[in-house]
Amino acid sequence: KQEVTQIPAALSVPEGENLVLNCSFTDSAIYNLQWFRQDPGKGLTSLLLIQSSQREQTSGRLNASLDKSSGRSTLYIAASQPGDSATYLCAVPVNNYGQNFVFGPGTRLSVLP
Amino acid sequence: NAGVTQTPKFRILKIGQSMTLQCTQDMNHNYMYWYRQDPGMGLKLIYYSVGAGITDKGEVPNGYNVSRSTTEDFPLRLELAAPSQTSVYFCASSYGDSYGYTFGSGTRLTVV
Repeated sequence: KQEVTQIPAALSVPEGENLVLNCSFTDSAIYNLQWFRQDPGKGLTSLLLIQSSQREQTSGRLNASLDKSSGRSTLYIAASQPGDSATYLCAVPVNNYGQNFVFGPGTRLSVLP
Repeated sequence: NAGVTQTPKFRILKIGQSMTLQCTQDMNHNYMYWYRQDPGMGLKLIYYSVGAGITDKGEVPNGYNVSRSTTEDFPLRLELAAPSQTSVYFCASSYGDSYGYTFGSGTRLTVV
C-alpha cells in the first residue's frame, strides 16, 4: 500500500531564506508526483507535476525534484516571502488506473516578515 | 473558465438527514474525484470516476454514493448523515493519466 510522509510537519523561517520541504513514498513504481499548496480554509492549488521520466520541474521560485529509486521528492522554495505561508502537500498515484492520488499529511510553512 | 465548482460551500446537517454535494467542471476532464479532509488526517479518496457512467470506490466509500451521468457533473450523495461524516469535502478533476489535478474550493459539512 502506498504511503506518503512529509518532513517537517511544520516550519517557520524568516523572510528571504531558501528552504526545502521533503516528501517520501513507499512504492517507487509511480508515473508522476504532484505538489500542492493549500491556504487556510481554501482548496488545493497545483504547483508542480513531475512525470516519472523527469528529475525536476521548475516554476518561478519553486523547484521540485524526484528520485524514484529512493522514494523521495523535494520542493525547494527560493527567497521565501510571507505570501508563501501555507500548507504544502505532495501526492503520488496509488496505481496506474484512474490516477488516484495518495496525499501526504503536509508541511505547514510560516514565513515571517 | 470556471474550473471545478462545488456547491454548497457550507452546510449543517442533523443526524440521519440526507444531502447531495454538487460538483461540476467545465474543462472536459475525463477523471473526477471526491476526497474528504479531516484535521491532521490528510485527504482520503471517497469515490472516483474515469468517465461518464463509470464509478469506483476509493479508500473510504462507506456512507456515500456517487453517479456520473455526464462528463461535467459528479455529485456525492450522503444518505444517512452521521457525525463521523463531519469534514471538508473536495472535488477534483483531471484530464487523464499523467495529468495533474484541479481542485474545487471545498464544502465544509457539519453533522450534529
